[in-house]
Amino acid sequence: DTEVTQTPKHLVMGMTNKKSLKCEQHMGHRAMYWYKQKAKKPPELMFVYSYEKLSINESVPSRFSPECPNSSLLNLHLHALQPEDSALYLCASSQVATEAFFGQGTRLTVV
Amino acid sequence: DQQVKQNSPSLSVQEGRISILNCDYTNSMFDYFLWYKKYPAEGPTFLISISSIKDKNEDGRFTVFLNKSAKHLSLHIVPSQPGDSAVYFCAASMNRDDKIIFGKGTRLHILP
Repeated sequence: DTEVTQTPKHLVMGMTNKKSLKCEQHMGHRAMYWYKQKAKKPPELMFVYSYEKLSINESVPSRFSPECPNSSLLNLHLHALQPEDSALYLCASSQVATEAFFGQGTRLTVV
Repeated sequence: DQQVKQNSPSLSVQEGRISILNCDYTNSMFDYFLWYKKYPAEGPTFLISISSIKDKNEDGRFTVFLNKSAKHLSLHIVPSQPGDSAVYFCAASMNRDDKIIFGKGTRLHILP
């Protein structure tokens, strides 16, 4: 199983809503990542978890809250988002950072 | 300030010919370079990588060339096939265990 599975595929939420993005991998990878990708831009790193501990937070606003319940799961909790937060959110996992496997992404629209 | 630059937003190549995608970088501390391929509605998939101690790495139809003095790398695809139509991201990191910095991507169209 070389898949990283993300749910949901699409999400529309209001600015006062609370929602969560989910990511799962069963490759035994030690690291999991959240990336944000806006249209015609490269993926930008948001968070890295290594051995279930947050190791990198790229100065992401607190309205994005990551959580790693176990070595296979990664969540991104969303609260009070702004329309400019609309983007494709990509989860990835890896054993070494440069060999990351990406999920299909969640297309988020904030209205 | 972009550390990894892909100056061609798009490229069209005839099927069967060679596709050459270019990438420049500014940070001389980068030690590891990668190419990712992305289809619409899918996440990026790893294609090929090269360490800074090499100047060429080949995997089937894909070859990556690295010119450290020019801070330039390129991806050659030969022969190009219809399934190669995708967005290609160049990426770099300071070592294999460091975060990846992506370029903006080049959209490759393979023409029949």
